[in-house]
Amino acid sequence: KQEVTQIPAALSVPEGENLVLNCSFTDSAIYNLQWFRQDPGKGLTSLLLIQSSQREQTSGRLNASLDKSSGRSTLYIAASQPGDSATYLCAVGRNRLAFGKGNQVVVIP
Amino acid sequence: KAGVTQTPRYLIKTRGQQVTLSCSPISGHRSVSWYQQTPGQGLQFLFEYFSETQRNKGNFPGRFSGRQFSNSRSEMNVSTLELGDSALYLCASSLGSEGATQYFGPGTRLTVL
Repeated sequence: KQEVTQIPAALSVPEGENLVLNCSFTDSAIYNLQWFRQDPGKGLTSLLLIQSSQREQTSGRLNASLDKSSGRSTLYIAASQPGDSATYLCAVGRNRLAFGKGNQVVVIP
Repeated sequence: KAGVTQTPRYLIKTRGQQVTLSCSPISGHRSVSWYQQTPGQGLQFLFEYFSETQRNKGNFPGRFSGRQFSNSRSEMNVSTLELGDSALYLCASSLGSEGATQYFGPGTRLTVL
């Protein structure tokens, strides 16, 4: 059974600092890895999808890397802004996603 | 393009009742998946439907069931509600090919009293 872990569970950073969020998974035979953002009481917004054959994906200030051999992915958010405050979730799988419990981020103005 | 829509957005039920939740996927998407989100367990996969057939199923009791219609809209039903069923129920749609990006709706908040 795939287990996905996200550490730390919560973190606060001052505005302008770079954010580094970690995700680890137990079964390296993943298909895809997807990063989502969730605002309180809302649904999930897809940020980046990395296919298992890829090493990283970039979108604007966001960059996600994937290392299947070590079972890890890292999401980098450059020059954080207060609007980046949210919970970030990592998920792996094909059509049946296994989620971590998220990194709750607060960016302090 | 309209996103994934879920109705109703909020529901309050009492123990023993049943409930039906609805999900309309993005136009052209043939796969609909359902997830339960609770503070303790996080997001857990319930089931996935593709072309009106259940393609994947999570580890939930038989009280949880679903179906998909020919227009790809999906419904999820929970019978004999328990207090522990209180959760945010999220539906996601995708094109259906393996590993396709999943797009989530805003969720239905179910409270069981």
